[in-house]
Amino acid sequence: QVQLVQSGAEVKKPGASVKVSCKTSGYTFTRYGISWVRQAPGQGLEWMGWISADNGDTNYAQKLQGRVTMTTDTSTSTAYLELRSLRSDDTAVYYCAILSYWGQGTLVTVSS
Amino acid sequence: DIQMTQSPSSLSASVGDRVTITCRASQGMRNDLGWYQQKPGKAPKRLIYAASNLQSGVPSRFGGSRSGTEFTLTISSLQPEDFATYYCLQHDSFPYAFGQGTKLEIK
Repeated sequence: QVQLVQSGAEVKKPGASVKVSCKTSGYTFTRYGISWVRQAPGQGLEWMGWISADNGDTNYAQKLQGRVTMTTDTSTSTAYLELRSLRSDDTAVYYCAILSYWGQGTLVTVSS
Repeated sequence: DIQMTQSPSSLSASVGDRVTITCRASQGMRNDLGWYQQKPGKAPKRLIYAASNLQSGVPSRFGGSRSGTEFTLTISSLQPEDFATYYCLQHDSFPYAFGQGTKLEIK
């Protein structure tokens, strides 16, 4: 069965970077693009961007341009999200998803 | 960019009620729209894909439809486990966009 397993919770200071991983299994990795979505505490879902697992093409939300990088490693069927210059309003649960299947979420807390 | 305006933002209803939630797209789009249910502390779960197709394993009381740029999620007879927050997501074109969410509460 399809599974997306994310890395564990992170606590970061403002200005730092975080890298979240999403290890997939149960399907052909290069067949689907992967979206990253985040949810701040008590807020709605925010689409962050998408990466093609086939050729690495990316499309990022305008508000995150310049701070976000999405990558994949086809040898391990893993996707990565890196967010730089973290601010307190980046505190959120971060999800990877292939639209019908979602990871369990990774809590990133940004606090001094 | 296609933006999704979801309404209502909250809804109180009783078990057995029929409820509808709507997402209006800011411009024309294909049927690349999904409906998701999210319960506290959990990842979203897709209920409907391609505007009107029921995800495998989802009860048939959930249904999706479309009229022009308006997409609707209908729950025909609310069950206790349906009280949750619901979101639409357009993935017709980048940037993808979620609706603002509808919190469905017990009356």
